[in-house]
Amino acid sequence: KNQVEQSPQSLIILEGKNCTLQCNYTVSPFSNLRWYKQDTGRGPVSLTIMTFSENTKSNGRYTATLDADTKQSSLHITASQLSDSASYICVVSDRGSTLGRLYFGRGTQLTVWP
Amino acid sequence: EADIYQTPRYLVIGTGKKITLECSQTMGHDKMYWYQQDPGMELHLIHYSYGVNSTEKGDLSSESTVSRIRTEHFPLTLESARPSHTSQYLCASSGTTGATYNEQFFGPGTRLTVL
Repeated sequence: KNQVEQSPQSLIILEGKNCTLQCNYTVSPFSNLRWYKQDTGRGPVSLTIMTFSENTKSNGRYTATLDADTKQSSLHITASQLSDSASYICVVSDRGSTLGRLYFGRGTQLTVWP
Repeated sequence: EADIYQTPRYLVIGTGKKITLECSQTMGHDKMYWYQQDPGMELHLIHYSYGVNSTEKGDLSSESTVSRIRTEHFPLTLESARPSHTSQYLCASSGTTGATYNEQFFGPGTRLTVL
């Protein structure tokens, strides 16, 4: 069964600190992995996308890593800001369908305190 | 910022009412999707479309229906709303060319509450 598991479920950090969010998946055949940021009451917005051959990708203060052998990914946030408070969702796409079906994790709810 | 729009953003209605949630995109994307998301839970695909006059049911069974008469428009209809339909509904679209191949862009969502 294709699944995406994220940890922790929620996280509280102080402004300026770093944090790392985890994602494990069982989706096969694997196509790509995305991290999305979803603000409360809004739609998800893509942060990074990685294919099988990529093991790291950065977008400003966000750095994602991918280990396709162990089927794990992480999202590292550097020097957190209050605006980073949101849900971060790991999404894995399979290449077994023309639709490019997406499998969503439940997200990690990050709260940044001043 | 993706050019995909949803209206209304918030809707509170009584049981038994018929509602239509609107979704439009200006990116010329062929594929469009509707997801349902409850608080703290993952997104579930309820409908998708490959293009005009194409609609398919997703992974999660839904009593809603969709139509795709124009490329840019993908409305979702509930004939008779019930409290169990209370949820957030997210619309998305994806293209088939360029650097964003198959990347899904999401609208802001409609928060539906059925009393």
